[in-house]
Amino acid sequence: TQLLEQSPQFLSIQEGENLTVYCNSSSVFSSLQWYRQEPGEGPVLLVTVVTGGEVKKLKRLTFQFGDARKDSSLHITAAQPGDTGLYLCAGAYNNNDMRFGAGTRLTVKP
Amino acid sequence: NAGVTQTPKFRVLKTGQSMTLLCAQDMNHEYMYWYRQDPGMGLRLIHYSVGEGTTAKGEVPDGYNVSRLKKQNFLLGLESAAPSQTSVYFCASSYATGGGEQYFGPGTRLTVT
Repeated sequence: TQLLEQSPQFLSIQEGENLTVYCNSSSVFSSLQWYRQEPGEGPVLLVTVVTGGEVKKLKRLTFQFGDARKDSSLHITAAQPGDTGLYLCAGAYNNNDMRFGAGTRLTVKP
Repeated sequence: NAGVTQTPKFRVLKTGQSMTLLCAQDMNHEYMYWYRQDPGMGLRLIHYSVGEGTTAKGEVPDGYNVSRLKKQNFLLGLESAAPSQTSVYFCASSYATGGGEQYFGPGTRLTVT
């Protein structure tokens, strides 16, 4: 069982649509991170959320950390083909031990 | 700066063979990590290091050993490879722990037959 559950596992949408992906856990995290990974490459950090209820925006991407610091969401507005990739959430478990979710694989069709 | 580099990029082993994966970072980071990535499982932490000469077990350490003799290098060893160790291996480093940004290498694709 994953410590961090991500949903949906796969998402295929048309360019211009909006979408939300989720990262849920029964554990409390001091912070959560979102990474994006493209085929053949390592993940790249998009954002870190630290405070319960925090909302961060990165251009068309909006990240939210749940009030109880157990869950997070990523909303993309007007998705573009360049947003295609694997989106991973990660949290610090026992401080040094980073745990990742299985990811949401997003495909944006032109 | 090269960031985080990994060698080799690809490797095929036979069951029972041994090998070492090398990770190097030029960002003077204290913390380094080894992960494996499998379909549907995401990234799972194998071992990590909080500084030169120190290592610790992560989520899936069995069958692997690591060493951090120099601050910039983190080695992952497989003493007797098994088909279950077929995976893509990623190394990462970070300046801070507990949620600090991790910088990942490009990965090593290992196949054990």
